[in-house]
Amino acid sequence: DAKTTQPTSMDCAEGRAANLPCNHSTISGNEYVYWYRQIHSQGPQYIIHGLKNNETNEMASLIITEDRKSSTLILPHATLRDTAVYYCIVRGNDYKLSFGAGTTVTVRA
Amino acid sequence: DVKVTQSSRYLVKRTGEKVFLECVQDMDHENMFWYRQDPGLGLRLIYFSYDVKMKEKGDIPEGYSVSREKKERFSLILESASTNQTSMYLCASSWTAYSNQPQHFGDGTRLSIL
Repeated sequence: DAKTTQPTSMDCAEGRAANLPCNHSTISGNEYVYWYRQIHSQGPQYIIHGLKNNETNEMASLIITEDRKSSTLILPHATLRDTAVYYCIVRGNDYKLSFGAGTTVTVRA
Repeated sequence: DVKVTQSSRYLVKRTGEKVFLECVQDMDHENMFWYRQDPGLGLRLIYFSYDVKMKEKGDIPEGYSVSREKKERFSLILESASTNQTSMYLCASSWTAYSNQPQHFGDGTRLSIL
């Protein structure tokens, strides 16, 4: 699976949109981009995934660039409960998940 | 919503004990997984099961076994617990392993072996 690069940390103001970037320049044609988050002492929570089109669900939006080498997860109205470590993963046919260091997002009141 | 339930959030056991960790999913998923998560080592796959009574070893199966007698339930067994098995254990499930369907996780069991 392709490797991803994310910023180590970022802050966001409550009520504002949080834009989380992810680089995956070595992504191959059959690999999807997945986002998970992990709140302290809890299990990872699936957020969203996509192949090449932008995706939106009740939690977030995923914007994938046309060349698929990077993506952005958008939390439209961040709340204090969105404080977590966010993981961007690229995965093809391998059933194993592997998380990198992720981005620690702190939402401030 | 997918619900993956792990039997205990926190567990403390002694070295040499046989430890059972239970996981139940309510979405009729074919596949279930056991991972452990350790600081600096990330997520590592212990075992996964693609059907009832079927299993495959992951990256770190030594010291562990699994059981899947019913589709919704996947158990992880530490045959003789050791201190290096102190960890956060995560169960996950998905429709199929070799597809784009995401894995959904339980809340984890934080296991301490004394």
